[in-house]
Amino acid sequence: AQKVTQAQTEISVVEKEDVTLDCVYETRDTTYYLFWYKQPPSGELVFLIRRNSFDEQNEISGRYSWNFQKSTSSFNFTITASQVVDSAVYFCALSEADTDKLIFGTGTRLQVFP
Amino acid sequence: DGGITQSPKYLFRKEGQNVTLSCEQNLNHDAMYWYRQDPGQGLRLIYYSQIVNDFQKGDIAEGYSVSREKKESFPLTVTSAQKNPTAFYLCASSMWQGAFGYTFGSGTRLTVV
Repeated sequence: AQKVTQAQTEISVVEKEDVTLDCVYETRDTTYYLFWYKQPPSGELVFLIRRNSFDEQNEISGRYSWNFQKSTSSFNFTITASQVVDSAVYFCALSEADTDKLIFGTGTRLQVFP
Repeated sequence: DGGITQSPKYLFRKEGQNVTLSCEQNLNHDAMYWYRQDPGQGLRLIYYSQIVNDFQKGDIAEGYSVSREKKESFPLTVTSAQKNPTAFYLCASSMWQGAFGYTFGSGTRLTVV
């Protein structure tokens, strides 16, 4: 069965610290997709990244980076030099190739203090 | 601009009333979804629809109903049978299954008074 685990319920950091949000997933499929979404206080979920199961290359986008490791079934998200605007709830999600649904983790609330 | 519009942003319901939450998309997406989010919790799937005039129950469909008469629209009715309807409701759409991820609306916050 599909499952996404975000063990960190809440993380607090001071501005400019680096922070890593963990995501561990379970799936029986060899073809699947992983996602990260950001939910700011306004409520709307904002897409951050999509990664398919055949592409284990790490990705960097500005201060954001993602580390995909199939060996440990993890898809961790790192924010470098965090800013107050990064404060939000972050969700990791999984979709298998032949299903209609995204399975979401329970989310990690990140608070960045000035 | 393409996107998903949810209305209203805030909704208040008296106990025993049915209320309908609107969700419209102009992305030409085939699939649409409704999620419920409670404070401090993740997203739980209520209903989803892959094509017009067809929809499936999600994990917490009891007390809710939907329709999909047009590709662009997927309204959610919260019925009086839903015992604890106060929550944040998010609508989403996707191009094809879940492989490309979802685009989300800005949500409707429903409160029972």
